[in-house]
Amino acid sequence: NAGVTQTPKFQVLKTGQSMTLQCAQDMNHEYMSWYRQDPGMGLRLIHYSVGAGITDQGEVPNGYNVSRSTTEDFPLRLLSAAPSQTSVYFCASSPPGDGYTFGSGTRLTVV
Amino acid sequence: AQSVTQPDIHITVSEGASLELRCNYSYGATPYLFWYVQSPGQGLQLLLKYFSGDTLVQGIKGFEAEFKRSQSSFNLRKPSVHWSDAAEYFCAVGFSNDYKLSFGAGTTVTVRA
Repeated sequence: NAGVTQTPKFQVLKTGQSMTLQCAQDMNHEYMSWYRQDPGMGLRLIHYSVGAGITDQGEVPNGYNVSRSTTEDFPLRLLSAAPSQTSVYFCASSPPGDGYTFGSGTRLTVV
Repeated sequence: AQSVTQPDIHITVSEGASLELRCNYSYGATPYLFWYVQSPGQGLQLLLKYFSGDTLVQGIKGFEAEFKRSQSSFNLRKPSVHWSDAAEYFCAVGFSNDYKLSFGAGTTVTVRA
């Protein structure tokens, strides 16, 4: 089925560990983005990309890196995990001027 | 300041009753408007969207929304809710020349038997 695929669905990390959250879409969408969702905070944009080789920061980029080497993939890297990064992470993609298709999320716990 | 506001944090409604969720925006131009639903433990699913034209928009799962330019609102409605409609609902706005969407804080809907 076409859509946005996120892996893993669940992850527990120790403080200081690094990891990569994977996101792939098969709809040839130009735009991809990463959000984190925390209780009472809504959705907050971490990083986004308007095409291969182009990335930019959202409102909460600290502690995260991204790259976009292909149209399909947009991985999110946690450089040195902190308890404050415990959250649910969503990847989304869209064509220009249209709504987003979201992945099913990655629930990350940092202990 | 530009913003998307969902005034109701939490709404409780009886099964079979009608539901209306409010969304207001504050932007200079008329944006594109979206409603998303998030069931517990799931990602966000697009319910409906408004770009232009008919101000009453039909979506999936029996939902509809009405765009009112004079009130800068895009309220979501359902005539008769089902227990499966218990979820969090997000309003979002965007523009044709910008990929980014701005999301409201969300409204949690509880359905009681």
